[in-house]
Amino acid sequence: EVQLVESGGGLVQPGGSLRLSCAASGFTVSSSDMTWVRQAPGKGLEWVSLVYAGGTTYYADSMKGRFSISRDNSKNTLYLQMNSLRAEDTAVYYCAREGSGWAMDYWGQGSLVTVSS
Amino acid sequence: DIQVTQSPSSLSASVGDRVTITCRASQSISNYLNWYQQKPGKVPRLLIIAASSLQSGVPSRFSGSGSETDFTLTISSLQPEDFATYYCQQTYNIPRTFGQGTKVEIK
Repeated sequence: EVQLVESGGGLVQPGGSLRLSCAASGFTVSSSDMTWVRQAPGKGLEWVSLVYAGGTTYYADSMKGRFSISRDNSKNTLYLQMNSLRAEDTAVYYCAREGSGWAMDYWGQGSLVTVSS
Repeated sequence: DIQVTQSPSSLSASVGDRVTITCRASQSISNYLNWYQQKPGKVPRLLIIAASSLQSGVPSRFSGSGSETDFTLTISSLQPEDFATYYCQQTYNIPRTFGQGTKVEIK
């Protein structure tokens, strides 16, 4: 059974850092295209970052230089390192696998990140 | 970036109604358009892949159509469990943009 379990969310001060983890089971992260999507309170879905199976990474413009996506193949886990956090980064962050047509077919349960002093 | 515009932003419908939601891309995206359903406090769920392919386990009352710039999600007979917010997403290129969502409410 495919499963994605997220951890690492929490409360952080503006300018601080946080790392989200997304532990996968039932498939291999390193062989899959993996993505992060976020949703601010009461708002819609916003694409954050992508790592292709081959290792190429991409970011939304507002996250470039602040966020970093990576994976640990030995742990079958995806990460999102978030630095220089701002209040507007407050959201639920979801990891997801991209399957056929690059559609997100499996999602993590979401991690709430709150940036506030 | 490719902009994806959904309409309407919300609608009220009754159980049994036929519901149509549209999504328009700012440039041609072939059929790289997916649809998701999200209920309050829940994780989004993939419904339709590549404009018209039903994801495994999704009821057949959901269907998708369209290509290039204009796409449609149709619910043939709305059920109580279908009241939710629906999002389209283009995966033609990066960034993978979402529509703003369509909230389907009970009339």
